[in-house]
This record gives sequence, C-alpha cells and structure tokens, in this order.
Amino acid sequence: EDQVTQSPEALRLQEGESSSLNCSYTVSGLRGLFWYRQDPGKGPEFLFTLYSAGEEKEKERLKATLTKKESFLHITAPKPEDSATYLCAAYSSASKIIFGSGTRLSIRP
Amino acid sequence: GAVVSQHPSRVICKSGTSVKIECRSLDFQATTMFWYRQFPKQSLMLMATSNEGSKATYEQGVEKDKFLINHASLTLSTLTVTSAHPEDSSFYICSAPQGDIEKLFFGSGTQLSVL
Repeated sequence: EDQVTQSPEALRLQEGESSSLNCSYTVSGLRGLFWYRQDPGKGPEFLFTLYSAGEEKEKERLKATLTKKESFLHITAPKPEDSATYLCAAYSSASKIIFGSGTRLSIRP
Repeated sequence: GAVVSQHPSRVICKSGTSVKIECRSLDFQATTMFWYRQFPKQSLMLMATSNEGSKATYEQGVEKDKFLINHASLTLSTLTVTSAHPEDSSFYICSAPQGDIEKLFFGSGTQLSVL
C-alpha cells in the first residue's frame, strides 16, 4: 500500500537554529515528490517538486532533497515567519497523490 | 503564480441544510480538480476527482449522494454537501493542476461547521 510518513510530528527551534524535516515514502512508481507549506486555516502553498533521486531544489532558506526512499526539507537559519506545517506528498504511477500528515514547525524569536 | 480561488472561506449551517463550495482557477484552465477533506492536525484526504464535462471519480468510502460534485466549466468546480450533519464539519480544500499534475495549486479552504 502506498504510504507517506513524515517526522517529526512537531519541531520547535530557536531562530537561526538549522534543522531537517523527514518524509519517508513507499509508493509504487514515484512520479514526483512535492513539498508544501500550510498556514493555519489556509490551503497548502506549493514549494518544490522533486522527480528523481539525487535531485535538490532551493528556495530562500529551504532546500529539498530526494533519495529512493525519502526526502528531506532542510531549513537553514530559520526565522519566526517560517513557522507553519510542512506537508510532503508523493505522486504515484497510479496517478494518486498521497499526503503525509505534516510536520508542525515552530520558530521562537 | 497560478491562483485557485475557493469560496466561502467559512460557513456555519444548521443540520439538514445543504452547503455549496466553489473552486475557481483564476488564470488557467483545469480539466481536473481535486477535493480534499482535512481534520485538525491531520493530513489531506482525497475525497474525489472532478472532471470537466464528465462524472467525478470518488474515493472509496466517500458517499456520492452526500458530496455532489459538478465541474461545469474549465475554471469552476463545485462541491455540495447535501443534508449536512455535525460529522460533516471539517476543513474542505480544492486543488487544480496547472498543466501537468506536478504544479498543483490549492484553494484557501472552507471551514464547514454544522450545528
């Protein structure tokens, strides 16, 4: 069964303290791995799509990487405005998008 | 970037009434749109895939007669929760791909509260 698991569920960091969020996936025929940011009471905001192992993409303080089993979202020197829930989702060969349960990131000033 | 507009953002209704939620792609056409449901601190659960000009495809366990989907044009899909009950209270989100599925944009969501 296709599955996407994110860890940790919640992460509290001090401003400037870098860390990584994990997304492990078991998907038949991965066509793409997405990362989204979701603020409370709002829809997810697209961040990245990764297509193959070894691929990396960056946007401001965020960098996403992909292996054959997992993806990482690295956040460098985070600021309070980076606080949000980060969702990853896998797009399978069956044209299904499977979401993880998210990591709630909180950055303290 | 592409914008998907969803209305209303919040609705409170009495049990037994029907509620319609609209999802519009503002600057691109979408032959397919997706409807999700999200409970607090949980992930998005796909309810159905809306197809322009044809019937929607529902996920297992989602009642077709309860959640009516109409994709009347290339920019508009609607979800109607019929005879809503308190257990239908949830956050509903639509999404539409711009071009291929890899660029999937989401609406801002609708918080439905059924009293």
